[in-house]
Amino acid sequence: QSALTQPRSVSGSPGQSVTISCTGTSSDVGGYNYVSWYQHHPGKAPKLMIYDVTQRPSGVPDRFSGSKSGNTASLTISGLQADDEADYYCCSYAGSYNVLFGGGTKLTVL
Amino acid sequence: QVQLQESGPGLVKPSETLSLTCAVSDFSISSSYYWGWIRQPPGKGLEWIGTIYHSGSTYYNPSLKSRVTFSLDTSKNQFSLRLSSVTAADTAMYYCARQRMTGFNWFDPWGLGTLVTVSS
Repeated sequence: QSALTQPRSVSGSPGQSVTISCTGTSSDVGGYNYVSWYQHHPGKAPKLMIYDVTQRPSGVPDRFSGSKSGNTASLTISGLQADDEADYYCCSYAGSYNVLFGGGTKLTVL
Repeated sequence: QVQLQESGPGLVKPSETLSLTCAVSDFSISSSYYWGWIRQPPGKGLEWIGTIYHSGSTYYNPSLKSRVTFSLDTSKNQFSLRLSSVTAADTAMYYCARQRMTGFNWFDPWGLGTLVTVSS
């Protein structure tokens, strides 16, 4: 099983929107509506930002949204803020009690 | 508010066994949640190691299954990881996390992690 594919880096200016993609297969991302996204600031614990493809945990701003089309899930962050600069990881259920993470995307706020 | 904290040796020799414990505060590990281990090698992405339930059921990453063993101690409200025959490739930050049962991929919250270096 291979890790999910994410772009190594994305960037945007404050106030803009960015989208991070997460590509898998029909056996993971495309096969289940169980994709989650995590924000990771260096030295801190990763934080759940999106679960079940589109759901936001309480306390996560609605600037963060998730979607999925086929074997690709996406995280969109609108109204970029300086504090959004972090690493972002997608995660998908892959069947048979198995989990795959993406390789991670570094978001730079210009 | 549930908190998790990893602990264990920061340095392990090649071919030996890595042992880590995750202490859970303000939440019972006997509740209806799974408990997971995830690691991140330096400069690389996250890798799911496996998951344990309070019943003792375990689920392991196929790539690590032959070397990993999970256990839990409900009296101490903690769970543990043992990874045998370690090599430099096992050098990583190791995290524990609470894992929702539905969907199996919802990890929240996470511990701060503990860095384990495999070196002689």
